[in-house]
Amino acid sequence: DGGITQSPKYLFRKEGQNVTLSCEQNLNHDAMYWYRQDPGQGLRLIYYSQIVNDFQKGDIAEGYSVSREKKESFPLTVTSAQKNPTAFYLCASSTNRGVYGYTFGSGTRLTVV
Amino acid sequence: AQSVTQLDSQVPVFEEAPVELRCNYSSSVSVYLFWYVQYPNQGLQLLLKYLSGSTLVKGINGFEAEFNKSQTSFHLRKPSVHISDTAEYFCAEKSLNTDKLIFGTGTRLQVFP
Repeated sequence: DGGITQSPKYLFRKEGQNVTLSCEQNLNHDAMYWYRQDPGQGLRLIYYSQIVNDFQKGDIAEGYSVSREKKESFPLTVTSAQKNPTAFYLCASSTNRGVYGYTFGSGTRLTVV
Repeated sequence: AQSVTQLDSQVPVFEEAPVELRCNYSSSVSVYLFWYVQYPNQGLQLLLKYLSGSTLVKGINGFEAEFNKSQTSFHLRKPSVHISDTAEYFCAEKSLNTDKLIFGTGTRLQVFP
């Protein structure tokens, strides 16, 4: 079945360490997105990519970096510059300019101690 | 700027009662509208979408929504809820001039026995 795979489900890191969250899709979708979710704050867009080798900052890109070297993959690196990295991170993808909505992964819960 | 307003952050309801989750969108141009459901520690799952045509849209799990252009609303309804409907619900819009979905802040539906 086609879908989006985020790994790992849970991730623990020490403060000051960079960490990379994986997102892979086999839907042949052109666009991919990363969101951060905190309790009571809904979804906040971190980065998005509409085509391979191109990506744009979202609303809260500071302290994060991404790459889009393959259509199927859109990894997110949470750097030590991110002041409050503990959160639930969601990856999504879309086709046809988002007309049919997004398909979401199951999320990665990052805890920084 | 586009915005989606979910008027209730929490909606408590007893099992087998009807429920309505309210959503208002802002776009003055043609829009596509979506409702997503999120269970704890999971990604978002598409409940239903309005692209065009009939203003009453039926989705999964017995949910339906009605597109009302004059009131710029897209309220979600279910005639009889179950305990298993307890979750967070997100409304989203996409207008023709952007590829991105704009999400509301979510409504937590709590169903009590």
